[in-house]
Amino acid sequence: EVQLLESGGGLVQPGGSLRLSCEASGFTFSSYSINWVRQAPGKGLEWVSVIGADGVTTYSADSVKGRFTISRDNSKNTVYLQMNSLRAEDTAVYYCAKSLMTTVTRALDYWGQGTLVTVSS
Amino acid sequence: EIVLTQSPATLSLSPGERATLSCRASQSVATSLAWYQQKPGQAPRLLIYDVSHRATGIPDRFSGSGSGTDFTLTISSLEPEDFAVYYCQQRGDWPLTFGPGTKVDIK
Repeated sequence: EVQLLESGGGLVQPGGSLRLSCEASGFTFSSYSINWVRQAPGKGLEWVSVIGADGVTTYSADSVKGRFTISRDNSKNTVYLQMNSLRAEDTAVYYCAKSLMTTVTRALDYWGQGTLVTVSS
Repeated sequence: EIVLTQSPATLSLSPGERATLSCRASQSVATSLAWYQQKPGQAPRLLIYDVSHRATGIPDRFSGSGSGTDFTLTISSLEPEDFAVYYCQQRGDWPLTFGPGTKVDIK
C-alpha cells in the first residue's frame, strides 16, 4: 500500500524557517518524482515544488523561488522542503504527492494527509 | 504560466443527475490534463489523467474529454459521495498549475 506521511509543520514567526519531511512507503521511491502542493485555509490548490527521481532535477513556483528548497534522500525514502523567510501568505496545509509516472510528472496519484504550517507573530 | 479557468464555480444538482464540469487553459496543454476530487478535511484524489484515463479504482461514471485548451469532466449519474470540489490540473508546461475548482453541491 502506497503511503506518504508529512511531518514538520507548526507555528512559526514571519521571517522564520521550517523544514517539512515526507516519508514514503509502498512503492519504489527512487523511481518517482515527488511534489509539494499547498492549500491555504479555504482556498484552492497551489503547486509548490517537484524533485525528480534522481534528486537533481527540481522546479519550483515563482512564489517560493529563492526561499524554499526541495531535496530528497533515497536511502531514507524521504523528501524534504526547507522553507526560509516565511511569510503570512505561506500559511497553508502542505501536501506531498507522488507523480503518477516514472518518466514525467503529468498527474499526482498518491497524496499524504498534509501538515499545517502557520506563519504568524 | 498556463492559467486554468473552471466553470461553473458551483454546480447544484440532485443525486442521479448528470454533472458536466469545464476547464479551459490559457494555452494548449496537449493531453497533459488531470482532474481531482477533494472532500472537506481530505487530501485530493486523482480521478482522471491524460484527459480521459481513469485512475486506479475510479468508477466508470467519471469520464474526461477534450483537447488543446478545452476539457470536460462528466459524472454520468451523481452518487451521494460525489458531492465535493473538483480541480483540473495541467502539466503541459512548468509550473504545474491547478484550476480554482468547481464545487458540486446538493440541490
